Amino acid sequence: SQQGEEDPQALSIQEGENATMNCSYKTSINNLQWYRQNSGRGLVHLILIRSNEREKHSGRLRVTLDTSKKSSSLLITASRAADTASYFCATDRTGNQFYFGTGTSLTVIP
Amino acid sequence: KAGVTQTPRYLIKTRGQQVTLSCSPISGHRSVSWYQQTPGQGLQFLFEYFSETQRNKGNFPGRFSGRQFSNSRSEMNVSTLELGDSALYLCASSLASGSGNTIYFGEGSWLTVV
Repeated sequence: SQQGEEDPQALSIQEGENATMNCSYKTSINNLQWYRQNSGRGLVHLILIRSNEREKHSGRLRVTLDTSKKSSSLLITASRAADTASYFCATDRTGNQFYFGTGTSLTVIP
Repeated sequence: KAGVTQTPRYLIKTRGQQVTLSCSPISGHRSVSWYQQTPGQGLQFLFEYFSETQRNKGNFPGRFSGRQFSNSRSEMNVSTLELGDSALYLCASSLASGSGNTIYFGEGSWLTVV
């Protein structure tokens, strides 16, 4: 069964707007990572945040982690059409066994 | 540096047959893990290999098996295929096994069982 749930399931925004997606998970974690998947392709790693970190930035990406609420959010600022993809959060507890959320499908309209 | 390479990219098999998928990790990576992605179940962990040893195994039947070779290349095998095995099979590699590693995915192998 999946560890996480992303919210919303689908998001449609205009180019230039910000996109926020949320991830909730069920058990304690060591790390949380966000991945992007273009339709029918492999997953691309975006950012890793450790359980003792609260916020992390990478370019136009900002990730927050609230371990007390077992939730994380991914903010993409100044979105572009090329950001259109599905976004997944992944948590790990043991080794490289990752538990992926259900994903948020983001559509950025030019 | 070449990424994770999976072959074949697409294949069609008949129920009852078996299939072998191959994965070449990023050079220097010793951990290889496999995931199944379906519309209904999402991404699910199959197993992880590190230094030719299975480290972790997901909740899949014994029809799903894998192995890793001394050069870190990995194969997964599915025997007695069922229609429900139709999925995108993703391989991922990382430098090491253990918490905090970033795993890098290949493009996947699309398996259709008819």
